[in-house]
Amino acid sequence: QPVLTQPTSLSASPGASARFTCTFRSGINVGTYRIYWYQQKPGSLPRHLLRYKSDSDKQQGSGVPSRFSGSKDASTNAGLLLISGLQSEDEADYYCAIWYSNTWVFGGGTRLTVL
Amino acid sequence: EVQLVESGGGSVQPGGSLRLSCAASGFTFSSYTMNWVRQAPGKGLEWVSHISGSGTIYYSDSLKGRFTISRDNAKNSLYLQMNSLRAEDTAVYYCVGGTGDYWGQGTLVTVSS
Repeated sequence: QPVLTQPTSLSASPGASARFTCTFRSGINVGTYRIYWYQQKPGSLPRHLLRYKSDSDKQQGSGVPSRFSGSKDASTNAGLLLISGLQSEDEADYYCAIWYSNTWVFGGGTRLTVL
Repeated sequence: EVQLVESGGGSVQPGGSLRLSCAASGFTFSSYTMNWVRQAPGKGLEWVSHISGSGTIYYSDSLKGRFTISRDNAKNSLYLQMNSLRAEDTAVYYCVGGTGDYWGQGTLVTVSS
């Protein structure tokens, strides 16, 4: 089982909100880790969106608007990326990542379609 | 302005070697952790290797000792020596500053006979 699992795809409407999940493997506690989120538009470089560990330990990426935010759901052992006020330009692949056992582990990515 | 410029990619036969370089500017390279991350065609991001400013090194287990990361802080440069290349190593290789603060434009490595 992968360390981090992300749904393959997500669809949402312009102006709506999108909620991305990054589920930790059983036995790895989401509360322990800083979670990094990246956006990659087709044909472009990945872009660091934010990192989130807690409300007191979080950082927005350079130039990233506040409608992108991070959170955690302890009940499902998952990290969350929330995008509000979806725009067509938000269509992209979104990756989560953590530093785990001296390795940088990426989730498989979620492709967002803004319909 | 931060810049990371990779070079050294190209086509190579299975079993061959390549050395990737990354020239950094616009930030204090010597104190920055650096990583190599790769992305196979149509696939997700995969971490390859890490080197701290002081030289602590980690590798992905999947590489099985075939790759070697190094840095020259005097030259603001990062390197990746890749040996015994396999078809599955075909990917765009990104030089990454920190945990994704900065990304190079990537260099394509193609391993094919």
